[in-house]
Amino acid sequence: DTEVTQTPKHLVMGMTNKKSLKCEQHMGHRAMYWYKQKAKKPPELMFVYSYEKLSINESVPSRFSPECPNSSLLNLHLHALQPEDSALYLCASSQGVLMTDTQYFGPGTRLTVL
Amino acid sequence: AQSVTQPDIHITVSEGASLELRCNYSYGATPYLFWYVQSPGQGLQLLLKYFSGDTLVQGIKGFEAEFKRSQSSFNLRKPSVHWSDAAEYFCAVVINTNAGKSTFGDGTTLTVKP
Repeated sequence: DTEVTQTPKHLVMGMTNKKSLKCEQHMGHRAMYWYKQKAKKPPELMFVYSYEKLSINESVPSRFSPECPNSSLLNLHLHALQPEDSALYLCASSQGVLMTDTQYFGPGTRLTVL
Repeated sequence: AQSVTQPDIHITVSEGASLELRCNYSYGATPYLFWYVQSPGQGLQLLLKYFSGDTLVQGIKGFEAEFKRSQSSFNLRKPSVHWSDAAEYFCAVVINTNAGKSTFGDGTTLTVKP
């Protein structure tokens, strides 16, 4: 099973709402990632978790709060977002964070902030 | 800092024709190189990767890529394009000091004419 699942597929939220994105993998991978992708642009790395600890935070605003409750699950908690945060949010996982470790991507959550 | 350039924003080819997508990188040493494909509304799928050894790399879906150190290039090729190959293609690099962190090119949109 080489699948990374993400829920929900689509999310519409207001600027005062609190919502969460969920990512799950059952490949035994120990590294998980959040990316943000605007239309017609490449993915931008947001966070990297390695062995359930945050290892990279790409200076992401605090209105985005990642959480890794266990090795299979990665959440992204959203609060007080801005319309410019509307994007496709991609989750990925890999065996580890070595350069040789292939990242497997989920289908993404399409987020719209009104 | 390393960078990745995909010179062609959009390429149109006829079904059955050959394809070459260009990727150039800027980095002093040899980075680890990847090609990903993204269909509309989907996550990224790894087509192939190069770490070392044979400079001609075979991937999935009939794709191959050739690493040319002298030209700092890693071009993606396919001898005969299928309509289902229409998608966005991203070249990415990972260097040693940023393990777990990929730098993506801006992508090339492939349109396939019947």
